[in-house]
Amino acid sequence: QVQLVESGGGVVQPGRSLRLSCVASGFTFNNYGMHWVRQAPGKRLEWVAVIWSDGSNRYYAGSAQGRFSISRDNSKNTLYMQMNSLRGEDTGLYYCARARNAYSYGFEYWGQGTLVTVSP
Amino acid sequence: QTVVTQEPSLTVSPGGTVTLTCASGTGAVTSGHYPNWFQQKPGQAPRALIYSISNKDSWTPGRFSGSLLGGKAALTLSGVQPEDEAEYYCLLYYNGAPVFGGGTKLTVL
Repeated sequence: QVQLVESGGGVVQPGRSLRLSCVASGFTFNNYGMHWVRQAPGKRLEWVAVIWSDGSNRYYAGSAQGRFSISRDNSKNTLYMQMNSLRGEDTGLYYCARARNAYSYGFEYWGQGTLVTVSP
Repeated sequence: QTVVTQEPSLTVSPGGTVTLTCASGTGAVTSGHYPNWFQQKPGQAPRALIYSISNKDSWTPGRFSGSLLGGKAALTLSGVQPEDEAEYYCLLYYNGAPVFGGGTKLTVL
């Protein structure tokens, strides 16, 4: 069965960096686009970034543009999110999700999330 | 920032029918917004239910259906079960960029 397992979250000071990982199993990883979606405590879901199956294209939400970088290693079935210059408003649960195709459409399967807390 | 609006909360009796809606701040929702619906229970990750207006995932119970209704995307639950109590999020696409709605907290009472 499809499994997505995120890691790398933690408590970090404003302005610092963090790298999240998402290990995928149960499907052919290099056939699907992958997303990061976050959810601040008690708030709505917010799409953060997507990367196509071959890594050729990446797209970001405005809140992530210039600070976050999505990448993937298809040989390791792993998705990454490098987050720099973190702010308090970046606090939340970060989910990875598999797209429905090789590009960016849809959010078919979700991991359980990894918690990022940005606090002085 | 494009706004996608849902009812904050709805209450339905077990066995009843309820329709949740999803409105676009830019006008009528169309097939070009590729509406998606997700269910999220407390402490759990979201789960996909419906994509491209009305297509169901293999795990989506038959009592869930999606449609376009009055310029909005709609999710209808017919024969509601207690386990359907959850937060429901819609998602619309704007020129390829996905935007989630604020969520509807559905109470089964």
